[in-house]
Amino acid sequence: SQELEQSPQSLIVQEGKNLTINCTSSKTLYGLYWYKQKYGEGLIFLMMLQKGGEEKSHEKITAKLDEKKQQSSLHITASQPSHAGIYLCGARDTGRRALTFGSGTRLQVQP
Amino acid sequence: KAGVTQTPRYLIKTRGQQVTLSCSPISGHRSVSWYQQTPGQGLQFLFEYFSETQRNKGNFPGRFSGRQFSNSRSEMNVSTLELGDSALYLCVSSLAGNPSTDTQYFGPGTRLTVL
Repeated sequence: SQELEQSPQSLIVQEGKNLTINCTSSKTLYGLYWYKQKYGEGLIFLMMLQKGGEEKSHEKITAKLDEKKQQSSLHITASQPSHAGIYLCGARDTGRRALTFGSGTRLQVQP
Repeated sequence: KAGVTQTPRYLIKTRGQQVTLSCSPISGHRSVSWYQQTPGQGLQFLFEYFSETQRNKGNFPGRFSGRQFSNSRSEMNVSTLELGDSALYLCVSSLAGNPSTDTQYFGPGTRLTVL
């Protein structure tokens, strides 16, 4: 089955700094998702990438799917306290119509 | 357009009881999936329903079951609750359930605590 590894596991940055979170797959990615989760709450959809080389942006968050479709990165520019939370990457499980997820990256932004 | 709604948001049960959770997908969406999230195992797929039929199932025991109604609303049931069933249960709504093409929208979750 497909495995997704996220790095780093946790991150503390000063407000205003840029940061990058990576998601690496053991297999080719089809339908790579990025979600944000506040503790104990549901997942907020950020972006979905489908094609190798695809890049999408929303406000100060940019996500890319590399050409070989086995890695994605999430970049936050000029971080703010509102960006704090757990970022999860998810991808279609190659065996079925479901998502498999990375273990998450916990982001803290210090004012 | 209203988002995915789940009820109840919080539940406390004791071992051996059963529980039913409800999910209403986004209007027009016909696929509903369920996931369990725990600190130890992370997010794990339970099952998916499309047009009232279970189309996909994860690796959970038969105590976990679900159904979908003609209006696409879905319920999941857990019988003979165990302590390990304490988790956040998340419902996912999508148009047709293909994660490669259909955006998967999560609900706020139901927090189940088993004592």
